[in-house]
Amino acid sequence: ETGVTQSPTHLIKTRGQQVTLRCSSQSGHNTVSWYQQALGQGPQFIFQYYREEENGRGNFPPRFSGLQFPNYSSELNVNALELDDSALYLCASSKVSGSGETQYFGPGTRLLVL
Amino acid sequence: GDSVTQMEGPVTLSEEAFLTINCTYTATGYPSLFWYVQYPGEGLQLLLKATKADDKGSNKGFEATYRKETTSFHLEKGSVQVSDSAVYFCALSEVGTSGSRLTFGEGTQLTVNP
Repeated sequence: ETGVTQSPTHLIKTRGQQVTLRCSSQSGHNTVSWYQQALGQGPQFIFQYYREEENGRGNFPPRFSGLQFPNYSSELNVNALELDDSALYLCASSKVSGSGETQYFGPGTRLLVL
Repeated sequence: GDSVTQMEGPVTLSEEAFLTINCTYTATGYPSLFWYVQYPGEGLQLLLKATKADDKGSNKGFEATYRKETTSFHLEKGSVQVSDSAVYFCALSEVGTSGSRLTFGEGTQLTVNP
């Protein structure tokens, strides 16, 4: 176990709705990254948060947004859900060390958009 | 941009067979390289990593060597077990860039039969 937790484990929404996913990082870690993994594919980087600021973003539209809190936990918000947003959403925490930092993943939240 | 190419799956082996999963990468700088494993219905677990050229990462009988000259990080195991059945992802992370995102390959499904 990595110590990274995510909630909820599963979620069903309808197109156009909004969703919030949550992540608690491993103790001692100050950075949280979010990834989207479509079925049968590798994870795609959404964005990363460090010290409560967005610190890098992948090729995702602005309706994907996030927050990091002072205790380093994080939220991923997705507005105006589309069918293609159905995926496993993975959170990973790490500690910035200047070289070869390792990201540790939570179990994921499986989102189904109908 | 950065990219990772993995050997196409699925791979099916008998127990105690030798495993190789090929991984090559393209990066502008000097990335760290990782292998993650994903069991059915779960998140990603770090299997091993290497942070500089000629480093060998190893864990649970798996090994991979960072080959800068061939831009490769092939995963090997001398004798696979049924419990090794999972999806294996090769990934890279650029050191020192803003937002140290992981870039993943598409994954290789491994099935080990008794």
